[in-house]
Amino acid sequence: GQSLEQPSEVTAVEGAIVQINCTYQTSGFYGLSWYQQHDGGAPTFLSYNALDGLEETGRFSSFLSRSDSYGYLLLQELQMKDSASYFCALYNQGGKLIFGQGTELSVKP
Amino acid sequence: NAGVTQTPKFRILKIGQSMTLQCTQDMNHNYMYWYRQDPGMGLKLIYYSVGAGITDKGEVPNGYNVSRSTTEDFPLRLELAAPSQTSVYFCASNQGGSGNTIYFGEGSWLTVV
Repeated sequence: GQSLEQPSEVTAVEGAIVQINCTYQTSGFYGLSWYQQHDGGAPTFLSYNALDGLEETGRFSSFLSRSDSYGYLLLQELQMKDSASYFCALYNQGGKLIFGQGTELSVKP
Repeated sequence: NAGVTQTPKFRILKIGQSMTLQCTQDMNHNYMYWYRQDPGMGLKLIYYSVGAGITDKGEVPNGYNVSRSTTEDFPLRLELAAPSQTSVYFCASNQGGSGNTIYFGEGSWLTVV
């Protein structure tokens, strides 16, 4: 099967940089995605890594290393509105998308 | 462009009742998914479909059924509702072939009492 592990909580201050890690176990997959979810809302897509390396989208960057079964989401210039839950998810060859348990990010002033 | 639409948004069911959560997407996406999310937890895949007439089980399929008779619609059926099925349910869709940009519906809050 597939499984993903993330830290349950991360706290950072406004304006700082924070990294949310994701380790996974799988026999094969297309790529690793990241999603943001605010309380009471639907998940929204942030970033996707099909290949090893860094993908940058504005203040958010995501990294994947298949050899290390590891990825991370990097959030720069943190803002209060970034306080939310962040999920990594594996997208496999059969079209299945499996999520990690999520990391709750708290941004403090 | 409505995207992914789920109905109902809120529902209270009695134990043993049955109901169907509706999901429709207007993006002509091949892949559709149903997830449940318990408070403070991640999303668990219930069922998914890679095209009309094709469905497959996810991580937690017991107590649920799905069908995919058209590209647009992917209803989720709960038979004999149990308190353990109290959760928020999300439908999602994706063109397929890539994990890039998967669209979610707004969610359906279901309580079984």
